Amino acid sequence: AQSVTQLDSHVSVSEGTPVLLRCNYSSSYSPSLFWYVQHPNKGLQLLLKYTSAATLVKGINGFEAEFKKSETSFHLTKPSAHMSDAAEYFCVVSDLYNAGNMLTFGGGTRLMVKP
Amino acid sequence: NAGVTQTPKFRILKIGQSMTLQCTQDMNHNYMYWYRQDPGMGLKLIYYSVGAGITDKGEVPNGYNVSRSTTEDFPLRLELAAPSQTSVYFCASTLPSSYNEQFFGPGTRLTVL
Repeated sequence: AQSVTQLDSHVSVSEGTPVLLRCNYSSSYSPSLFWYVQHPNKGLQLLLKYTSAATLVKGINGFEAEFKKSETSFHLTKPSAHMSDAAEYFCVVSDLYNAGNMLTFGGGTRLMVKP
Repeated sequence: NAGVTQTPKFRILKIGQSMTLQCTQDMNHNYMYWYRQDPGMGLKLIYYSVGAGITDKGEVPNGYNVSRSTTEDFPLRLELAAPSQTSVYFCASTLPSSYNEQFFGPGTRLTVL
């Protein structure tokens, strides 16, 4: 069975300061992990993915995430927030042997960026 | 490529009405999915399909039906609309392998009154 917990439902940062969105996962097998972003009234866009290669994954728009197996974590970071980063972020897991490649979504973290 | 397209974008239904949400992808993806997203929540899987003629239930299938007669199309049917089905519905597709991300459509916002 697979599950995802996003530890913060809301995160507020000032523009230009670092961003940290926390995610813990549970997976019976080797997981693939994803971060998706959803801007207001839009669909979901892939930010980055981990698929058992490098543990530090770089994504679009300056985001990156580090896979830590010992901590079962996949936190999303960005050195300097922009106003355009304000959105909902979803951490997502998929087991290697998951029939149908079904994704399990976390509850989401709403990122607010103050000027 | 248009990617994953969904129609309609918005719809208001009365209780007991029926409708079909359309989803089409032009990426030749075998796997397709229907999710619903309730306000302030993550996405929950309704149904999925691993190929034409093959469908299976996800986490929240009650009140919905699907069919997959072609690789490209995966319509979602609501037979007797209920207020609890008010939600945003997303269709997605991917190639086989858990390493592959799913590609999402823009969503259909459905309100049942």
